[in-house]
Amino acid sequence: KNEVEQSPQNLTAQEGEFITINCSYSVGISALHWLQQHPGGGIVSLFMLSSGKKKHGRLIATINIQEKHSSLHITASHPRDSAVYICVLSGGGADGLTFGKGTHLIIQP
Amino acid sequence: NAGVTQTPKFQVLKTGQSMTLQCAQDMNHNSMYWYRQDPGMGLRLIYYSASEGTTDKGEVPNGYNVSRLNKREFSLRLESAAPSQTSVYFCASSEVMGANYGYTFGSGTRLTVV
Repeated sequence: KNEVEQSPQNLTAQEGEFITINCSYSVGISALHWLQQHPGGGIVSLFMLSSGKKKHGRLIATINIQEKHSSLHITASHPRDSAVYICVLSGGGADGLTFGKGTHLIIQP
Repeated sequence: NAGVTQTPKFQVLKTGQSMTLQCAQDMNHNSMYWYRQDPGMGLRLIYYSASEGTTDKGEVPNGYNVSRLNKREFSLRLESAAPSQTSVYFCASSEVMGANYGYTFGSGTRLTVV
């Protein structure tokens, strides 16, 4: 089974800071997802990527297939970005997905 | 708004009671899933339905049953609730099974079994 590790587990930053969340995995994959979960809320799919980089607003996701690593960046962070960010890999499990444990991000005003 | 709708949002059960969690999607997706989320753990797959008329066990199916009522609806039933089933439950759907397809999640059901 693919092992997925997210870092950091918890991150507190000030509004406006540039945020980076990392996801590393052990076995090659065909795609990776980044999900966002607000406190007490549902889960939103942010990105699905298999190579290179994707950008949506202030969010940027990159993946390096050779190094088995993906990053999620948030520029000009805002308190509304406070959420748990979850990395999801293809491969493993009946549904083909392996979920990371998430990074708990708090942006203070 | 198009998406996945779960009901109820909150539920408290006594040990041994039964209940059904409802899930419906209006995106004409073929595949649907039930996950549970526990503190300190990633989402774990309970059951899934690759297409209408089929259901299969996931990673943690014990104590649960499912029904794919039609293409839109996929319900999760707890026949005799146990405190270990206290969790947040998420339903999700995708056009087809496979990591190269986007997944849409419901807003979750927070279940407490006392």
